[in-house]
Amino acid sequence: DADVTQTPRNRITKTGKRIMLECSQTKGHDRMYWYRQDPGLGLRLIYYSFDVKDINKGEISDGYSVSRQAQAKFSLSLESAIPNQTALYFCATSDSGHPGETQYFGPGTRLLVL
Amino acid sequence: DAKTTQPNSMESNEEEPVHLPCNHSTISGTDYIHWYRQLPSQGPEYVIHGLTSNVNNRMASLAIAEDRKSSTLILHRATLRDAAVYYCAGTSYGKLTFGQGTILTVHP
Repeated sequence: DADVTQTPRNRITKTGKRIMLECSQTKGHDRMYWYRQDPGLGLRLIYYSFDVKDINKGEISDGYSVSRQAQAKFSLSLESAIPNQTALYFCATSDSGHPGETQYFGPGTRLLVL
Repeated sequence: DAKTTQPNSMESNEEEPVHLPCNHSTISGTDYIHWYRQLPSQGPEYVIHGLTSNVNNRMASLAIAEDRKSSTLILHRATLRDAAVYYCAGTSYGKLTFGQGTILTVHP
């Protein structure tokens, strides 16, 4: 089974709708991240969490919110989706005790906002 | 945060070495340099990372310039399965800042 899972894998929604993307991990890592990928722009950090009680904004947090429900779960919400939030979203985890902190990525969620 | 720049694309022939460059001129002394690759329809996967010294693992080698302002990912013998987008990233306080990525095409 995959160590980092994301649900759903694909989602189509309409402008103004609230949606939630979920991420779960079985790696036992304390740190979790949400990234957005757009063509030609690489991966950009939306939010990150270093433990259950810690939430931090990343480079592009406007229009997004997150919830760290448990060590293993980190959800990303779009309160009112807009078309320019159409993108590929990745969740990642890392172990703070590992030098250099390699990140492990999920398979991604492809989101289309109409 | 460390800002990285990479060429948009590179090409190689199968069985030949590939050198993928990355500039990270704003990297601080304690930031690690990471490389990830992304195969089609998959999430990024870790390739290698280093701080100051050159590093080798089963996938690749990482050569880091003495001033740490640039690095080169070396694939010693490219295979068709190495065709992917390769990302260079700097780390700062646990966060990765990715470059735009280099699309590597491998010709049979």
